Amino acid sequence: DFQMTQSPSFVSASVGDRVTITCRASQHINTWLAWYQQKPGKAPNLLIYGASTLQSGVPSRFSGSGSGTDFTLTISSLQPEDFATYYCQQANMFPFTFGPGTKVDIK
Amino acid sequence: QVQLQESGPGLVKPSETLSLTCTVSGGSISGYYWNWIRQPPGKGLEWIGYIYDSGSTSYKPALKNRVTISVDTSKNQFSLKLSSVTAADTAVYYCARADAALDHWGQGTLVTVSS
Repeated sequence: DFQMTQSPSFVSASVGDRVTITCRASQHINTWLAWYQQKPGKAPNLLIYGASTLQSGVPSRFSGSGSGTDFTLTISSLQPEDFATYYCQQANMFPFTFGPGTKVDIK
Repeated sequence: QVQLQESGPGLVKPSETLSLTCTVSGGSISGYYWNWIRQPPGKGLEWIGYIYDSGSTSYKPALKNRVTISVDTSKNQFSLKLSSVTAADTAVYYCARADAALDHWGQGTLVTVSS
């Protein structure tokens, strides 16, 4: 089975900060990688698919990069509404696998 | 705009079968993979399985012996059955559509396994 890891597991940041989250796959997944944002009590929301394609309606301060096994989600200037937990997910093959999540909290 | 809505009992007794339905509105069920994902309280996301509109399925290996996902295209619904549940199956259960990724999700429904 694929294993997905994320680092860090927790980020304490301020409004306006640049935040970078890393995701690593245990096997090569080309660019079959998605990122989701989840706020408490809500369903996850797709931010990026294909490692770097921004989902419609997602602000341009979010960006994704990477291929193979190493991927990055960057928030260029953190906004108050961005405090949430972020998950990566490989979509290269079933079973889909999620990373353990990165919580972005207010410093 | 496609919308998904989960429905089913919020409380299931141990050893019984959990049954949930996801109703898809605002779009056709044809041509996509329809998924179930769950999230135990305070924990991360776990993919359970999918069904395609043709009826083909794929399940997480660790759950495969207990899971059945079915589809009713005439009602634009798909369903999850998870048998022999234990407290470890207590979670928020989400249904979601997969295109390039899981792009539309239901709001989720909490299912508690308890006697």
